[in-house]
Amino acid sequence: AQSVTQLDSQVPVFEEAPVELRCNYSSSVSVYLFWYVQYPNQGLQLLLKYLSGSTLVKGINGFEAEFNKSQTSFHLRKPSVHISDTAEYFCAVGRLNQGGKLIFGQGTELSVKP
Amino acid sequence: EPEVTQTPSHQVTQMGQEVILRCVPISNHLYFYWYRQILGQKVEFLVSFYNNEISEKSEIFDDQFSVERPDGSNFTLKIRSTKLEDSAMYFCASIGSDSYEQYFGPGTRLTVT
Repeated sequence: AQSVTQLDSQVPVFEEAPVELRCNYSSSVSVYLFWYVQYPNQGLQLLLKYLSGSTLVKGINGFEAEFNKSQTSFHLRKPSVHISDTAEYFCAVGRLNQGGKLIFGQGTELSVKP
Repeated sequence: EPEVTQTPSHQVTQMGQEVILRCVPISNHLYFYWYRQILGQKVEFLVSFYNNEISEKSEIFDDQFSVERPDGSNFTLKIRSTKLEDSAMYFCASIGSDSYEQYFGPGTRLTVT
């Protein structure tokens, strides 16, 4: 079975500051890793994904994440946040089989203040 | 850009009533999913559907739930007799044959009173 832990439920940060949202996972099999963003009253939008290859993946809106197999982590980072980045961020894992379900973490609420 | 659509955006129903939530996945996708998100909680997997049958379901997906692909475009989730605890946002998702990225719809907010 897989599980995902997002270590911070809320992260307040000032505009233009860097941010890191932490995600750890556990799995007995190899997995794919994803970060989704949910803006208020909207659906889930894919930010980035790790399937294989380079452990540093870049996504939309200037976000990037690093897969660390030894630490079973997939932390999300952005060097300089904007007010518009205020949203809920979800880390998710999926098994390495076509059509597998996603297991989501509890979410991290990023609040960017001016 | 193709997208997953869901109707209605908000459904209010009384406890014990049946509801049907509708989704139109991306046209060439083959795998379909329903997830739910109770207010303030994480997104939870309900069921996956492939080749006209359920491929996996969670413990949440009990006998009061059913899914159907009645034609070539719609994918529905039926809740037979709604309970207060069914109040949640329900997301539909789909995935293509050559991808591992699930595309999510905007969700249907179900309120059971």
